[in-house]
Amino acid sequence: DVKVTQSSRYLVKRTGEKVFLECVQDMDHENMFWYRQDPGLGLRLIYFSYDVKMKEKGDIPEGYSVSREKKERFSLILESASTNQTSMYLCASSSHTDTQYFGPGTRLTVL
Amino acid sequence: SQKIEQNSEALNIQEGKTATLTCNYTNYSPAYLQWYRQDPGRGPVFLLLIRENEKEKRKERLKVTFDTTLKQSLFHITASQPADSATYLCALDLNDYKLSFGAGTTVTVRA
Repeated sequence: DVKVTQSSRYLVKRTGEKVFLECVQDMDHENMFWYRQDPGLGLRLIYFSYDVKMKEKGDIPEGYSVSREKKERFSLILESASTNQTSMYLCASSSHTDTQYFGPGTRLTVL
Repeated sequence: SQKIEQNSEALNIQEGKTATLTCNYTNYSPAYLQWYRQDPGRGPVFLLLIRENEKEKRKERLKVTFDTTLKQSLFHITASQPADSATYLCALDLNDYKLSFGAGTTVTVRA
């Protein structure tokens, strides 16, 4: 079974802090994604990576950056956390079959 | 840009009945459409994929239809059980392995 893990289930940070969210997949997938999910808005794509060191902006990249130094690991970085970044963050991976496999999510609260 | 609408935010049904969820989309012609299940506080889990040249797909008690003329997919849960209570998301393929998700429909099955 594909396994996608995320570094934290719950995280509380203060405004202005730098926040790192890590995602690891164990199926050698080429593609990895970071989404945020807010009530009524569904899943919105923040960033997408289709290979090591490659990244592409999604629909809402402002305030975020990403890093993919190894194929299995995709990190989301909030350079200076703000309260409007309080959300559920979901990581996913896929190969060329298009189906995405999601991690359990990180619920981030920024105070 | 593409827009995806799922019929309603919540659907309450009696155990044993059939739940029917609707996914409508505009401004796009996807090559395929996927359905995911999401439990509270968890990441989505893939259920079914249907391609544009397929009218219907089944998996156990689940059935999906895809009408490219109406730009609509229907998702049916037959002989529903309380364990089917969850939020169901439809997703359209964009290019480059990206997906665009609907906001989801929450199904509650009463015993």
